[in-house]
Amino acid sequence: SQKIEQNSEALNIQEGKTATLTCNYTNYSPAYLQWYRQDPGRGPVFLLLIRENEKEKRKERLKVTFDTTLKQSLFHITASQPADSATYLCLGGSNYQLIWGAGTKLIIKP
Amino acid sequence: DVKVTQSSRYLVKRTGEKVFLECVQDMDHENMFWYRQDPGLGLRLIYFSYDVKMKEKGDIPEGYSVSREKKERFSLILESASTNQTSMYLCASSLPTGMNTEAFFGQGTRLTVV
Repeated sequence: SQKIEQNSEALNIQEGKTATLTCNYTNYSPAYLQWYRQDPGRGPVFLLLIRENEKEKRKERLKVTFDTTLKQSLFHITASQPADSATYLCLGGSNYQLIWGAGTKLIIKP
Repeated sequence: DVKVTQSSRYLVKRTGEKVFLECVQDMDHENMFWYRQDPGLGLRLIYFSYDVKMKEKGDIPEGYSVSREKKERFSLILESASTNQTSMYLCASSLPTGMNTEAFFGQGTRLTVV
């Protein structure tokens, strides 16, 4: 079946380091991937979109890559801060199909 | 500031009750979605609508129905609430899917069925 998989274990990172989150897709070829941030008890908030013909996208301290050979997207937060602690969700999209990953909880320790 | 507003943050209902969850967006978006989110399962699509009076089943439509009489409003109806429908419900809106734009989410409704 078509799947988007994210690491279900929480990721603990020391403040100031780079946090890297992974999104793998199986039996699916998304035309684009989106990354969202979700804080407890809140709806997700859009962060970045990357299309299948793009290798990398950046926005301030955020960077996302899309590797169609590995069927994987990596999401990086550089110079991480405790305020970056949240759950990060990956969404794969094609024309009329959207598949969400379950999210990875990121904890940035001071 | 663009907004998707859900009518309630928290709701407690009894088994068998008919439950209405309302969602309003002010961005003139064509697409609207209803998801439920449970720990470890991520977002699961219940229904979506791409135009007024149009609706499509998502992955888990059983026990739910929807209504979209106006472009800005999308309602989720639990015909006869059951305890396994206790969950966080999220409404979202977006421009047409082919434009692969972002989804805007409401703040969520945490529904407990007792």
